[in-house]
Amino acid sequence: DTGVSQNPRHKITKRGQNVTFRCDPISEHNRLYWYRQTLGQGPEFLTYFQNEAQLEKSRLLSDRFSAERPKGSFSTLEIQRTEQGDSAMYLCASSLDPRGRAQYEQYFGPGTRLTVT
Amino acid sequence: AQKITQTQPGMFVQEKEAVTLDCTYDTSDQSYGLFWYKQPSSGEMIFLIYQGSYDEQNATEGRYSLNFQKARKSANLVISASQLGDSAMYFCAMRGVLGGSQGNLIFGKGTKLSVKP
Repeated sequence: DTGVSQNPRHKITKRGQNVTFRCDPISEHNRLYWYRQTLGQGPEFLTYFQNEAQLEKSRLLSDRFSAERPKGSFSTLEIQRTEQGDSAMYLCASSLDPRGRAQYEQYFGPGTRLTVT
Repeated sequence: AQKITQTQPGMFVQEKEAVTLDCTYDTSDQSYGLFWYKQPSSGEMIFLIYQGSYDEQNATEGRYSLNFQKARKSANLVISASQLGDSAMYFCAMRGVLGGSQGNLIFGKGTKLSVKP
């Protein structure tokens, strides 16, 4: 399978714990995006990378959220001190997009569903 | 600021009939792209169709076509010959090139389509 993969698919954690999600993009894609989707809403942009550089992180919901993409391959999204409001689906997407042109579609992974109890 | 509006929370269509899902958008960018994604109950976002702001013809992809009316800022999705497998959430999204959008997608709230046998 050469699509975007995300692990784990489901994560249940207790409030206050740290969680980390992993995204493996399509191998030749240089851009990687993280989105959050809450019930009844469309995905909401969080951050993105071009290769290993994180080019936008102001949309991360709080300083408890951080993301990395070492070596420009897979990416991790970490949430520290989780809160019940963090419960959502976290989606990763990748695209082949060297010059930021609009027509390159983003391919999404299956998402990680986080439940904070 | 860019914004996508989908005014139909839910739609029903009879199998084999056509259905139109509405989408209006707001942007001050001159160059932008419009996308439709399908999200089945499994959660993965599936790319359906793309329309560029400078494209003179409406985009088509198999049973999907996009009715693009630039002056009205609308980008409605038309699904012809509906199938039971078309039952899903449908999201309209926009991606800017200028204005600091950094290439992330901005989504509407979605329309839930139910196909009746």
